[in-house]
Amino acid sequence: DQQVKQNSPSLSVQEGRISILNCDYTNSMFDYFLWYKKYPAEGPTFLISISSIKDKNEDGRFTVFLNKSAKHLSLHIVPSQPGDSAVYFCAATSGTYKYIFGTGTRLKVLA
Amino acid sequence: NAGVTQTPKFRVLKTGQSMTLLCAQDMNHEYMYWYRQDPGMGLRLIHYSVGEGTTAKGEVPDGYNVSRLKKQNFLLGLESAAPSQTSVYFCASSYQLFGSGTRLTVV
Repeated sequence: DQQVKQNSPSLSVQEGRISILNCDYTNSMFDYFLWYKKYPAEGPTFLISISSIKDKNEDGRFTVFLNKSAKHLSLHIVPSQPGDSAVYFCAATSGTYKYIFGTGTRLKVLA
Repeated sequence: NAGVTQTPKFRVLKTGQSMTLLCAQDMNHEYMYWYRQDPGMGLRLIHYSVGEGTTAKGEVPDGYNVSRLKKQNFLLGLESAAPSQTSVYFCASSYQLFGSGTRLTVV
């Protein structure tokens, strides 16, 4: 049972445009969500997070939106740059120190 | 300050062999985690530890054992490797800070 789902395995976006990566979850107990970026042959690196008491968190070009009623979060990257090309994972936790990751979305930013 | 260090980076095992993957962190973090990453499956939690001397099962613990004898080290053991354990293994510490991974192939 996949509690965290990223239904788009891949996404291509033109440089300078907006990239929107989506993530859905099923467990209503999740109260903290994170996004990670992963380059080939490297470990995932933390990008941005959001608590369930918020519906938006922004950090530079990256914004995460949380819609609790729909159990959906999204990561917006504006403007997209070629260096953003990577695999993006969303993750969720319910304060139990266990993190559940999605399957990832491979973003390709075209120059 | 090295962060989270995993050794080895690559390993090829024959079916039935055993091995131990080492994860070390120098940040005095309480929590440590082992994940495996497989194509189309994302990162799946194998085992985790919330402190020295404690371990707990994650989503896919079968075939693996772990130990956390020292706070800075978290060991992942494969007693009898199987081809299904071919994967990339990542260790993480508190705040989900990841190591660079161990690519394991079981033939």
